[in-house]
Formats: sequence, C-alpha cells, structure tokens
Amino acid sequence: AQKITQTQPGMFVQEKEAVTLDCTYDTSDPSYGLFWYKQPSSGEMIFLIYQGSYDQQNATEGRYSLNFQKARKSANLVISASQLGDSAMYFCAMRAILTGANSKLTFGKGITLSVRP
Amino acid sequence: GAVVSQHPSWVICKSGTSVKIECRSLDFQATTMFWYRQFPKQSLMLMATSNEGSKATYEQGVEKDKFLINHASLTLSTLTVTSAHPEDSSFYICSARDPGTHPGTQYFGPGTRLLVL
Repeated sequence: AQKITQTQPGMFVQEKEAVTLDCTYDTSDPSYGLFWYKQPSSGEMIFLIYQGSYDQQNATEGRYSLNFQKARKSANLVISASQLGDSAMYFCAMRAILTGANSKLTFGKGITLSVRP
Repeated sequence: GAVVSQHPSWVICKSGTSVKIECRSLDFQATTMFWYRQFPKQSLMLMATSNEGSKATYEQGVEKDKFLINHASLTLSTLTVTSAHPEDSSFYICSARDPGTHPGTQYFGPGTRLLVL
C-alpha cells in the first residue's frame, strides 16, 4: 500500500520569496514516481513536476524544484520567487512505475498556499 | 503540457435525471483514463479506472450502476451519473495518462461541478 502525508497547515509566503511544501511518503514498491499538482480555485489540476525513485538528480521545472530525499522518504516541493498566481492548493502524489498503466495515483490531502503581496 | 478537456464545466439538474460528462484527451491517445470525485477542501477520491474497449474498474464503495463509465475510443471517456440525487452533487474530474511520456504522466481535465436540486 502507498501513503502520502502532507501535514502542513495553510502556508503563507511573501511575494518573491521561496517556499517549501512538505511531502512524505511510504511505499513497498521498488520503483515509483512522485508528482506534484497545483489546483487553483478554478479547480483544474495542473501537473507541475515529476521525480522518479531512481533518478540521480532532483527534478527541476522552471521555478519548481523537488527536494527528493529517498532515505527519508520525502519529496518536498520548492517554489522559488513566489508569485501571486501561485496561491492555490498543492497536492503531492505517487504511483508505482513497474506495475503497468493501471497503477493508481495516491494523493496526499493537499496544502493550501497563500502568497502575500 | 498535454491537454485534457472536460464538458460540461457546470451542470445543474433536478433530482432523478441523468447527467453525462465527457472527457477527451486532445493531443494524445489515452488507453487509460481515470475518474475522480472531490469534495470542497478535500483531496481527490478515485472512483474508477477506465480502459479503452473494456469495462471500467471501480473502486470499493463506488456503485457501478450509479456511475456508468464508457471508454469507447482512445480519446474519449464518459461518466454518466444515473438518477442523480442531491448527495451526488460534487466536483468530478477526469484524468488521462499520456503513454508517450515517462512515466506516463497523468493530465487532468478542468473538472465538472454538478449540483443536483
């Protein structure tokens, strides 16, 4: 079974500063992927970044980077130079990679981020 | 990123009517699509996994006769809420897995807000 834990209460960050959103996970799968999604108030789920369990380097996508610490089972999302448009709910998710196309995404409860001007 | 469309974005209907929601992958062929339900301020709850040309796999507790899923082509899946009741009011989101990406990133539609009166 897989489990994603996001325990931070609502997060606040000043515009232009960096913020880290925490995510820890638990799984027995030998190969897995970790994903972060952003959900603004409109409701759409926007894919941000992916980290594979066997990737040697931490993933980066523009202002998003993933601080992957496999031994600690954590996959924290770092957003640099926060913008007002970053205010949204953020979900960490994972799924097994080798078990086929039907392997399911397991989501955390999400973290609400508010960017202050 | 890949685009998944969902239609309609808003539905208000009377109790007892059926509602059909369409989900389309616009620039890739999706052998696997997923349907989720989300309540306010909560995470996504997987309802079913839909494979093109075969019967959907429903999660425990989801009534297959209530939520009919059809995946007739590689770019289209539909969810029909039959005989809708007020407790079916929710935000429904579809997702399609892009097999052309590693490791098959899931992209989400913009969601459908259903209100049953």
